[in-house]
Amino acid sequence: DAKTTQPNSMESNEEEPVHLPCNHSTISGTDYIHWYRQLPSQGPEYVIHGLTSNVNNRMASLAIAEDRKSSTLILHRATLRDAAVYYCILIDQGAQKLVFGQGTRLTINP
Amino acid sequence: DAGITQSPRHKVTETGTPVTLRCHQTENHRYMYWYRQDPGHGLRLIHYSYGVKDTDKGEVSDGYSVSRSKTEDFLLTLESATSSQTSVYFCAINRAASNYGYTFGSGTRLTVV
Repeated sequence: DAKTTQPNSMESNEEEPVHLPCNHSTISGTDYIHWYRQLPSQGPEYVIHGLTSNVNNRMASLAIAEDRKSSTLILHRATLRDAAVYYCILIDQGAQKLVFGQGTRLTINP
Repeated sequence: DAGITQSPRHKVTETGTPVTLRCHQTENHRYMYWYRQDPGHGLRLIHYSYGVKDTDKGEVSDGYSVSRSKTEDFLLTLESATSSQTSVYFCAINRAASNYGYTFGSGTRLTVV
């Protein structure tokens, strides 16, 4: 499975935008980029995914670099409930399984 | 919660006893997964299933077996529990395409004493 690199931790303030980076320089042309988050004492939760184009949903936006070697998860207006560990994961279309890295622990300051 | 439930939510068992954890889904998804989560290791895949009676090993499958006799249920069995299997176990389901998000259960906290 292709690897991703994320910062171990990030900190932001409530009601400000948050940009969570992910590097995936060995991504293949068929890998989807998925983002999940895990709040304390809960199971992981799907956030967003994309292949080549930027994506938006009610939770976040995903910006994918033109060469697809990096991506950024954007939380437009962070709240305290967004404090979690965020995982960036590549999924091969044939593998059909998530392989988790260490993720980024996001702290939101009031 | 999103059509996936795990049972039990908490369990304490003694070393050497068999334990079975259940994952039940109402989404009719083809793929089901079992993960464990430990401090310092993150989430690791134990076993997964891509259909009834079709299963495969993940990265940490030793000491675990699984069964899937019907679409909605995926069972994880620890034949003889050890203290190293004390962990939080998560089940996940997927519609069998990387173009869809995975849904996770709330977890089972297992303590082996």
